[in-house]
Amino acid sequence: ETAVFQTPNYHVTQVGNEVSFNCKQTLGHDTMYWYKQDSKKLLKIMFSYNNKQLIVNETVPRRFSPQSSDKAHLNLRIKSVEPEDSAVYLCASSSWGEEQYFGPGTRLTVL
Amino acid sequence: TQTVSQSDAHVTVFEGDSVELRCNYSYGGSIYLSWYIQHHGRGLQFLLKYYSGNPVVQGVNGFKAEFSKSDSSFHLRKASVHWSDSAVYFCAVRSGSFNKLTFGAGTRLAVCP
Repeated sequence: ETAVFQTPNYHVTQVGNEVSFNCKQTLGHDTMYWYKQDSKKLLKIMFSYNNKQLIVNETVPRRFSPQSSDKAHLNLRIKSVEPEDSAVYLCASSSWGEEQYFGPGTRLTVL
Repeated sequence: TQTVSQSDAHVTVFEGDSVELRCNYSYGGSIYLSWYIQHHGRGLQFLLKYYSGNPVVQGVNGFKAEFSKSDSSFHLRKASVHWSDSAVYFCAVRSGSFNKLTFGAGTRLAVCP
């Protein structure tokens, strides 16, 4: 049963364009995350929000910016995408300190 | 600095076989270890976790894992695998005060019929 929703499923764009990905969770969790998964399946945390406050901000290029409107939503915007941004972006949520629940991911392809 | 090592990139077994997926960690703080499964084209799903108490923890679908402080390990085991267990398995350690997970590189399990 899906409880972390991500849109779109796929996105193909060209270098230099701006993209936005949406994430919504219906689990009542207070913490949300964005991960990047590369073509070798390696997972890296990018951002984490707890009660709408940014608490984890790993070393990512400044063209990436998270946007949190409330505890149930955490979007990701990428200004001026680069070829190395091609990856699957996974959103997750959790109650603080508990296991994380992941969405199905958004696959970004940059041409 | 926390690290997670999954020594086997690929494991292939036959249906009904037992399997062990290996995970070793390096972290000096409070231990919180977990395993996740990722089927092809899907997000990750939580399998089980350890943070204290009985070092053998039971998870969903017959999976269990055993924590060993002396070996710095948290290996995942299943007594009899099914073809639907074919997936990538990730070990993770939680570190710091921000609930941040560091994942291993993953082990791809292939179960042959």
